[in-house]
Amino acid sequence: DARVTQTPRDKVTEMGQEVTMRCQPILGHNTVFWYRQTMKQGLELLAYFRNRAPLDDSGMPKDRFSAEMPDATLATLKIQPSEPRDSAVYFCASGYRGTEAFFGQGTRLTVV
Amino acid sequence: AQTVTQSQPEMSVQEAETVTLSCTYDTSESDYYLFWYKQPPSRQMILVIRQEAYKQQNATENRFSVNFQKAAKSFSLKISDSQLGDAAMYFCASQEDSGYALNFGKGTSLLVTP
Repeated sequence: DARVTQTPRDKVTEMGQEVTMRCQPILGHNTVFWYRQTMKQGLELLAYFRNRAPLDDSGMPKDRFSAEMPDATLATLKIQPSEPRDSAVYFCASGYRGTEAFFGQGTRLTVV
Repeated sequence: AQTVTQSQPEMSVQEAETVTLSCTYDTSESDYYLFWYKQPPSRQMILVIRQEAYKQQNATENRFSVNFQKAAKSFSLKISDSQLGDAAMYFCASQEDSGYALNFGKGTSLLVTP
């Protein structure tokens, strides 16, 4: 049963530390998304890729966030340095345009 | 850029009754896709229903159906015979055919009471 895998599931870190979240998309899917979910803002689209190429990362704070796809089986989202306001659930999703996007279980990040 | 608006932060329905969740969107394109996702407390995002804008017929999936009004840019979700397991956050989303961005509304929290 193909699914999107995210690690870690939960992460607690101190302010100023680097955080790396990983995502294994479903093999063959050509589009990968990163979202941030908070109670206040809902699901914010941070960045997305097509065939591993970044299409748009305008939803991310540029100075501290970065997203990459080093290969077809791995997408990463890094925050450096982390801040308490980055506390949220981060989702990765993969799919094809116009069809269902399959979501991972999310990474709950807490920055203290 | 496309935007999706869900004007109801919370809704409540009694078991076995029908409830309608509202969604409006903004796009300048004629071809696009619309979705409703459900997020239960487990936080897993689950696709409920999908609509292609070029299709006039409203999509249905068992107890879930949509009222797609293209001219009004409205895409509401109707849940019939509500069950306790329907309690969740519901998100409306849109994706333009010319691009890849999948944008979500802020969600509606649905409470189902016995």
